[in-house]
Amino acid sequence: AQSVSQHNHHVILSEAASLELGCNYSYGGTVNLFWYVQYPGQHLQLLLKYFSGDPLVKGIKGFEAEFIKSKFSFNLRKPSVQWSDTAEYFCAVNARGTGRRALTFGSGTRLQVQP
Amino acid sequence: DTAVSQTPKYLVTQMGNDKSIKCEQNLGHDTMYWYKQDSKKFLKIMFSYNNKELIINETVPNRFSPKSPDKAHLNLHINSLELGDSAVYFCASSQGGSSTDTQYFGPGTRLTVL
Repeated sequence: AQSVSQHNHHVILSEAASLELGCNYSYGGTVNLFWYVQYPGQHLQLLLKYFSGDPLVKGIKGFEAEFIKSKFSFNLRKPSVQWSDTAEYFCAVNARGTGRRALTFGSGTRLQVQP
Repeated sequence: DTAVSQTPKYLVTQMGNDKSIKCEQNLGHDTMYWYKQDSKKFLKIMFSYNNKELIINETVPNRFSPKSPDKAHLNLHINSLELGDSAVYFCASSQGGSSTDTQYFGPGTRLTVL
């Protein structure tokens, strides 16, 4: 079974600061990787996803993530955060080739951006 | 148009009651899911249906019973509600049939058991 670790539980940044949120997964096979964002009181929205190919993926709202297979990592980055990026960020994986499509989520990182 | 919708958005009820949450998707997807988000924001899969057939049933009390009348709907019925059932329940859907599926989530139903 796969598992996901997000090491930063709560991150506080000032506007215009750069962001990097860590995500590591544990699974011996091929995975699909996702970052979802949950704004206060809202549902989960897909930020970006990685299936294969270029390990640097770009998502919405200026976010990007890099898949480093050797480190089992899929860290989320943004060069300059805005107050509106305040939200909960979830990394998720599912295993390819197993028929099991359900996502396994990390525990989430709460990002607070101060004006 | 909302892609994945859930009703109700909020549900407050007493212990021991039976309640249902409904989910509908208009994306033409074949696979639907129920996830539970606890008070610490941790999300965990509960059930998954593909073309009205149950394909994932995690370790969930049998008080929880999903029902899929057609592939656009996946309802969750909960019997004998307990305090620990208080959570936000998210429905999601995906195309299915591909190892590169993307799941789209509904707005969630916040269940409070008193």
